Amino acid sequence: ELQLVETGGNLIHPGGSLRLSCAASGFTVGNNFMSWVRQAPGRGLEWVSVIYRDGATYYADSVKGRFTISRDNSKNMVYLQMGGLRVDDTAVYYCARDPDSGGPGLVWGQGTTVTVSS
Amino acid sequence: DIQMTQSPSTLSASVGDRVTITCRASQSIVRWLAWYQQKPGKAPKLLIYEASSLEGGVPSRFSGSGSVTEFTLTISSLQPDDSATYYCQQYHNYRTFGQGTKVEIK
Repeated sequence: ELQLVETGGNLIHPGGSLRLSCAASGFTVGNNFMSWVRQAPGRGLEWVSVIYRDGATYYADSVKGRFTISRDNSKNMVYLQMGGLRVDDTAVYYCARDPDSGGPGLVWGQGTTVTVSS
Repeated sequence: DIQMTQSPSTLSASVGDRVTITCRASQSIVRWLAWYQQKPGKAPKLLIYEASSLEGGVPSRFSGSGSVTEFTLTISSLQPDDSATYYCQQYHNYRTFGQGTKVEIK
């Protein structure tokens, strides 16, 4: 069964840093495109970042220079290192097997909550 | 940046109705478009990828069509379980989501 499980969400002060983790099972992250997507309370979905099969990384303008996506193929994990956190980064963060991977089996995790507040 | 515009923002329909949601891209995305369903408090679930390919396990009443800049998601016979918010997403150039369409059952 294909599955993604995110961890690492927390309450953090503005300006702080946090690392989110995404554990994959049933497929290999290194052979796929993996994305992070967030959803602020009561709002729509916002794409955050993607890591390609070849390791190339891309970011939304809202997080460029503050967030870093990475993966560990040996652990089958994807990460989102978040720095310079702002109140408007408060959201549920989802890890997803990106549709560029080709279907079927384009799963999402259950999400992890990041709250940025003083 | 590619902008995605969904319409309508909300719709109310009866069980058994045919429902269509439209997604327009600000420039060509070929067929690199996905559709998601999200219920309150839950993670989004992919329904359609590459504009018209049905994800495994998704009921056949869901279908997608379109290309270039104009795309549609159709529910052929609306069911009570289809009450949700639906999002389109382009993945031709980076990724962008539409603003969502809330589908309510009358």
